[in-house]
Amino acid sequence: EPEVTQTPSHQVTQMGQEVILRCVPISNHLYFYWYRQILGQKVEFLVSFYNNEISEKSEIFDDQFSVERPDGSNFTLKIRSTKLEDSAMYFCASTGFNQPQHFGDGTRLSIL
Amino acid sequence: DQQVKQNSPSLSVQEGRISILNCDYTNSMFDYFLWYKKYPAEGPTFLISISSIKDKNEDGRFTVFLNKSAKHLSLHIVPSQPGDSAVYFCAASAIIQGAQKLVFGQGTRLTINP
Repeated sequence: EPEVTQTPSHQVTQMGQEVILRCVPISNHLYFYWYRQILGQKVEFLVSFYNNEISEKSEIFDDQFSVERPDGSNFTLKIRSTKLEDSAMYFCASTGFNQPQHFGDGTRLSIL
Repeated sequence: DQQVKQNSPSLSVQEGRISILNCDYTNSMFDYFLWYKKYPAEGPTFLISISSIKDKNEDGRFTVFLNKSAKHLSLHIVPSQPGDSAVYFCAASAIIQGAQKLVFGQGTRLTINP
């Protein structure tokens, strides 16, 4: 069964550094998403992406965040200058039209 | 943001019995509801969904019920098996031009006892 894959599984970064989280969505899916889960809290929506542009973003997704689909297969989330509060699990998801979202296993981001 | 609430953080059920997980929502714009199951160190795995035009959807051992007037949905698992032990998340969305923004509940940890 096709699946969403995310790399790396764990990323440790110094505060203030840039980090790029990578995702390979399911190949025939059209809509792509990033979510995060801070330890002990809910899974929160960050951004949705369709047709090479952001379709919706949350208040969390400020100017420090950006997304890109650079080559038609990868979908990346960049945080320009990381803060301690960015430490969380980041989940990528993808879906076709009017279908349930399928999630990757996440990247644990630890900011020191 | 408490648009989707799962009021039971944990539930313990005997193997073979029925597990009932509950979820409440406040936003009447939601028209699509999903249940996800999550094991440690893995991402949420889709289980079952229901559109707001239905009140029940069944898939094998899993049935989701939707009560729109009460803004309440529930997931029934019968019979419960040890492999069902996981955290279950309720999620809701309003589909806009095919894209979904899922709003999740806090999750309920289900433990199935042998």
